[in-house]
Amino acid sequence: GENVEQHPSTLSVQEGDSAVIKCTYSDSASNYFPWYKQELGKRPQLIIDIRSNVGEKKDQRIAVTLNKTAKHFSLHITETQPEDSAVYFCAASRGSYKLIFGSGTRLLVRP
Amino acid sequence: DTAVSQTPKYLVTQMGNDKSIKCEQNLGHDTMYWYKQDSKKFLKIMFSYNNKELIINETVPNRFSPKSPDKAHLNLHINSLELGDSAVYFCASSQDGAGGSNEQFFGPGTRLTVL
Repeated sequence: GENVEQHPSTLSVQEGDSAVIKCTYSDSASNYFPWYKQELGKRPQLIIDIRSNVGEKKDQRIAVTLNKTAKHFSLHITETQPEDSAVYFCAASRGSYKLIFGSGTRLLVRP
Repeated sequence: DTAVSQTPKYLVTQMGNDKSIKCEQNLGHDTMYWYKQDSKKFLKIMFSYNNKELIINETVPNRFSPKSPDKAHLNLHINSLELGDSAVYFCASSQDGAGGSNEQFFGPGTRLTVL
């Protein structure tokens, strides 16, 4: 069935360093790939998304890359700051009213 | 001016009880969802509704019954609560169409604790 795998489960970086989170998906018909950030005790919020007709998208310090052939996509955060500390979720959808989420990555940015 | 709201925020109840969680969105979206987030933070879809019609039911026990009185509301009723139902339940909405998926806006969550 549909599945999204996410790695690593935890990631600790020094403030100012870069962080990379990787996801792979199983459904080759997936065409929408959002990333959500969830701070402790809060709701998940979209930070960036990419569609299958685009290979890369950037928004200030965050970027997402998509490799459709390999069925994987990645989130890149540059110049990390303590406020980037949160749980990050990747997800994939084929446009069928259903998002399949990865298992989450807990990012800790050390000051 | 809250986009997606849920009540209650916290729910503590005994095993075997029946409880409901309410969700409302004022974004004019056609699609609403219920997700369950367990203690390991795994976020799993339970139901999707589009224009009040059930679209997705992800093999959720029939103790869980969603109801959508109109496009802006999607409530979740749970019968005969079990310990394993303890989790955070998130409602969400999006303007999805046949053309594909769009951003889902999540509610603040309802933390359900079954004793």
